[in-house]
This record gives sequence, structure tokens and C-alpha cells, in this order.
Amino acid sequence: EVQLVESGGGLVKPGGSLRLSCAASGFTFRSYTMNWVRQAPGKGLEWVSSISSSSTNIYYSDSVKGRFTISRDDAKNSLFLQMNSLRAEDTATYYCARAEGYCSGGSCYKLAFDVWGQGTMVTVSS
Amino acid sequence: DIQMTQSPSSLSASVGDRVTITCQASQDIRNSLNWYQQKPGRAPKLLIYDASNLETGVPSRFSGSGSGTDFTFTISTLQPEDIATYYCHQYDNLPITFGQGTRLEI
Repeated sequence: EVQLVESGGGLVKPGGSLRLSCAASGFTFRSYTMNWVRQAPGKGLEWVSSISSSSTNIYYSDSVKGRFTISRDDAKNSLFLQMNSLRAEDTATYYCARAEGYCSGGSCYKLAFDVWGQGTMVTVSS
Repeated sequence: DIQMTQSPSSLSASVGDRVTITCQASQDIRNSLNWYQQKPGRAPKLLIYDASNLETGVPSRFSGSGSGTDFTFTISTLQPEDIATYYCHQYDNLPITFGQGTRLEI
């Protein structure tokens, strides 16, 4: 069964750090672009970051650039999101999502998020 | 950034109705648009990719059309299990952006 399972969420104080993980199974992880998408409570979806196969291309939304770092370990079929300098506005459910397409040079191709994890909740509060 | 304007923001319909949601991009995105369904407390689910292609396993009552800046998502015959929020999503240019969502009630 194709599956993504996130972990690592929790309560953290403003300015703190958290590392999210996403464990993949049931497909050839190394062949896919992997993504993080978040959703603040009661709000819509917001793209956070994407990493291509082989980690060749990495992209971030402006709202997290310089604070968050996406990475992957293809040997362990895992995706990560290191989140530093957390703010109250980072409070959200964080989803990892698979995409068969890719991004390059500011554009993306066939980037449909066809498999999603169940999400992990991050709360930034003092 | 490309802005995706989705309408309506909420919609009430009856079982058996034909439901249409539109999404307008602030610039030409070709056919680089997907549609997702999200039920309360659940992760989003891909329904339509590249504007008009039905994802495997998705019922044929769901369809999408459009290209350029104007896109349409249609449920031909609304079913009770279609209660959800629907999002459009463009990936033509970074940053990737989503519409604000359409909450569908029955």
C-alpha cells in the first residue's frame, strides 16, 4: 500500500525549533518530488516547500524561506522539514505529499499531489 | 505570485444537483491546474490533474475543464458523500498556490 506517515509535530514556543519527518512506503520514494503543504486551523491549503528527486532542486515559499529546511534520505525513504525560528503564524497541520512531476527554473511540470500523509499538527505558542 | 480566485466560497446544493466551481488565475497557467477534495479532519485527495484528467479511482461524476486563466470543476450528480471543501491548485509558476477553497454543503 502506498503510504506517507508524518511525525514530529507538537507544541513549541515562539523562536523554537521542530523537525518533522515523513516516512514513505509502497512506492519508489527516490523517483518522486516530495512536498510539504500546511493548513492553519480553519484555513485553506498553503504550499511550504518542494524537493526534487536526488535533491537537485529545492524550493520554499517566501513565508518560510530562511527558517525552514527541507531534506530527504532516499536510503530510508524519508522526508524531513527542519523548522527554526518558529512563529505563531506557523501553527498548522503539516502534510507531506508526493508528486510525480518536478519543478525547475521557477516552473513546475505535472505536479499533482497524488498521495498525502495524514498530517502532523504544529502549535507555536508561549 | 499567481493568485487563484475560486468561487463561490461556499455552496449549498441538493443530492442529484449539478454543481460547478470556478477558479480564475491571475495570469496564464496553461493547463497547470489540479483539483482536490478535502473532507473534515482528513488530508486532501487529488480528483483532477492537468485541468481535465480524472485521477484513477475517482468517480466519473467529477470533471474539470479549462485552460489559460479560467477553469471549471463540475460534479454532475451530487452525492451525499461529496460534502467537502474543494481546492484548485496551480503549479505553472512558483510559488505554488491554492485557491481559497469552496465549502460544499448538502
